[in-house]
Amino acid sequence: SQQGEEDPQALSIQEGENATMNCSYKTSINNLQWYRQNSGRGLVHLILIRSNEREKHSGRLRVTLDTSKKSSSLLITASRAADTASYFCATAVAGGTSYGKLTFGQGTILTVHP
Amino acid sequence: EAGVTQFPSHSVIEKGQTVTLRCDPISGHDNLYWYRRVMGKEIKFLLHFVKESKQDESGMPNNRFLAERTGGTYSTLKVQPAELEDSGVYFCASSQAGLEWTQYFGPGTRLLVL
Repeated sequence: SQQGEEDPQALSIQEGENATMNCSYKTSINNLQWYRQNSGRGLVHLILIRSNEREKHSGRLRVTLDTSKKSSSLLITASRAADTASYFCATAVAGGTSYGKLTFGQGTILTVHP
Repeated sequence: EAGVTQFPSHSVIEKGQTVTLRCDPISGHDNLYWYRRVMGKEIKFLLHFVKESKQDESGMPNNRFLAERTGGTYSTLKVQPAELEDSGVYFCASSQAGLEWTQYFGPGTRLLVL
């Protein structure tokens, strides 16, 4: 399996519902980030959580990080049709020679129905 | 402020041909990264420039790929000769010095090798 694996692979919900996506990783990390990609567009940075943080909020987004379980979750509350996109977690590995190398998972495809 | 731009947005070439992708980072960003996503796989790191120097090129798949960043501004990624398995989306990202983990991605170049 890969560093930074998301589940579920696809999630379909109704507008107004909450969406939860999970990410697991294998190695020690410096930080973990979540990105969104709308169809045919580039990646948009959503939120970064450092290894010494447990929870972070940004608007309707809530990210948790459990370094003991090597996992993170992204919660989108009160979802909107505009939230329809692919969501990726990306890990930044602690130490190493490359400062800035991100390792991505395969992503979760979120569909929010109006 | 302009974001990261990439050119072309799409490229369709035949196996054996050469293609050059260009990335213009956000002005003032010393760090420039190339990533790619081949069909059905995760987004993978290719290399990292700090100004004009290659900081980490551990993700470059083979010597058919050549990246340059002359003058420390825009970067090019040349694939010569292209193979079928090179098809995918090539993303460029940039970040400020000291804020390497906050990367801004371009829209990507969709490469199809026939």
